[in-house]
Amino acid sequence: QSALTQPASVSGSPGQSITISCTGSSNDIGNYKLVSWYLQHPGKAPKLMIFEVTKRPSGVSNRFSGSQSGNTASLTISGLQAEDEADYFCCSYAGRDSWVFGGGTKLTVL
Amino acid sequence: QVQLVESGGDLVKPGGSVRLSCAASGFNFNDYYMSWIRQPPGKGLEWLTYITPTSSTMFYSDSVKGRFTISRDNAKNSLYLEMNNLRVDDTALYYCVTTRPYNGDFDHWGQGTLVTVSS
Repeated sequence: QSALTQPASVSGSPGQSITISCTGSSNDIGNYKLVSWYLQHPGKAPKLMIFEVTKRPSGVSNRFSGSQSGNTASLTISGLQAEDEADYFCCSYAGRDSWVFGGGTKLTVL
Repeated sequence: QVQLVESGGDLVKPGGSVRLSCAASGFNFNDYYMSWIRQPPGKGLEWLTYITPTSSTMFYSDSVKGRFTISRDNAKNSLYLEMNNLRVDDTALYYCVTTRPYNGDFDHWGQGTLVTVSS
C-alpha cells in the first residue's frame, strides 16, 4: 500500500483557519468512508481527532472538522490556538484489513 | 481510564529478534481489537498488524508479513509482538493501539517502546 500524501507543513496565525489535505486513491480514501486524523505533539503519542471522515471523539474541540471529496480528505482547524501546533497524520482503511497513513503535516502557529 | 504500557524495546543486531509486550488496563481488553503501529525516528506512522479479540484472526502489512507475529493473552490483559529477522529499517518506536475496525480508526495509544536495529 502506498502512503497517503500530505503537505509537509502548513502555518497560520492565532484565530485563523487552516486546512490540511490528504490525498489517496480509489483503493483507499476514494473507496471507503473510513478516514481518521491524529494529532501528535513532540515526544507524545498520537491522539485521535477525527474518525469516519467527519466525526469527533468525545472531548475533541469542535474547532476540528473533517471532510472528503473523491480521493482527498481534509482536516480544517478553525480559531487556531498555540496548543494546536503539532504534527497531524491522516489515515485511511485500505481494504483487506489493512490501513495506510499519510506522511504527516507539521502545523506551525505563527 | 485506558492505559497501554509497552515494554521490551531494545538494541538488536540485524537478523536478530525481540519480543514486545503491552500491558492494558482501564477497559475490557477482551472486547477490543488491538494493533501495533510503528514510527521511525522523525518520520510518519505505519500500521503493522492487528488481532481480533479472541485471537481468531490476525492481519499483517506486507512489510512485516512472515517476520512479525502478533498475539495476545486476555487472561493477562496483554498484547505481544514477536519480531524476527530484524532489519535496520525496522528501527522505530512501536505503539500498542486499540483498534475499531468498523470505524476504521485507532482510538487509544500507548507511549511506545523503542526498537533499534544496528550492528
